[in-house]
Amino acid sequence: DAKTTQPPSMDCAEGRAANLPCNHSTISGNEYVYWYRQIHSQGPQYIIHGLKNNETNEMASLIITEDRKSSTLILPHATLRDTAVYYCIVANAGGTSYGKLTFGQGTILTVHP
Amino acid sequence: DGGITQSPKYLFRKEGQNVTLSCEQNLNHDAMYWYRQDPGQGLRLIYYSQIVNDFQKGDIAEGYSVSREKKESFPLTVTSAQKNPTAFYLCASRYSGGTEAFFGQGTRLTVV
Repeated sequence: DAKTTQPPSMDCAEGRAANLPCNHSTISGNEYVYWYRQIHSQGPQYIIHGLKNNETNEMASLIITEDRKSSTLILPHATLRDTAVYYCIVANAGGTSYGKLTFGQGTILTVHP
Repeated sequence: DGGITQSPKYLFRKEGQNVTLSCEQNLNHDAMYWYRQDPGQGLRLIYYSQIVNDFQKGDIAEGYSVSREKKESFPLTVTSAQKNPTAFYLCASRYSGGTEAFFGQGTRLTVV
């Protein structure tokens, strides 16, 4: 599976957009980009995923560069409850190796009042 | 309600004892996963299974064992061979490739 690189920590003011970057320069053609977040001592929560097109849902937007080597998760109006660790992972979409999901260290996002 | 359930939430064991952590899902998901998380660290993959009666080692499988006799269940045994078993253990499942994974709320294991 492709490795991902994320900044260890970021800050954001409440009400502003939080833009979390992820580098996945070795991503292969059948690997999706997934974003999860984990609030302290809970199981990670799925946010969004995409293959090559930009995606948006009620929680966030995902912008994937045209070469697919990096992506950005956007929380449009961050709240204090968005303070969490955000994980970017890439994983195969199919075939015999689709199963493996490998998490990195993630980005600690702190939203300030 | 559909979901993934881990039990118990907290577990205490004496050093040298094997202990089995439960993970059950009623989402009809094919793949199931076990992760370990240490304080301030990310998730590390222990084992995963894509179909019944088959599973693969993750990145830190030593000292752990699993079984997948039923689609709904993927128990993890922490054996006495695991040198530092105290950790937060998370189970996850997903339907197939290209879909999101759902996580349980975790089991915090303390070995004394």
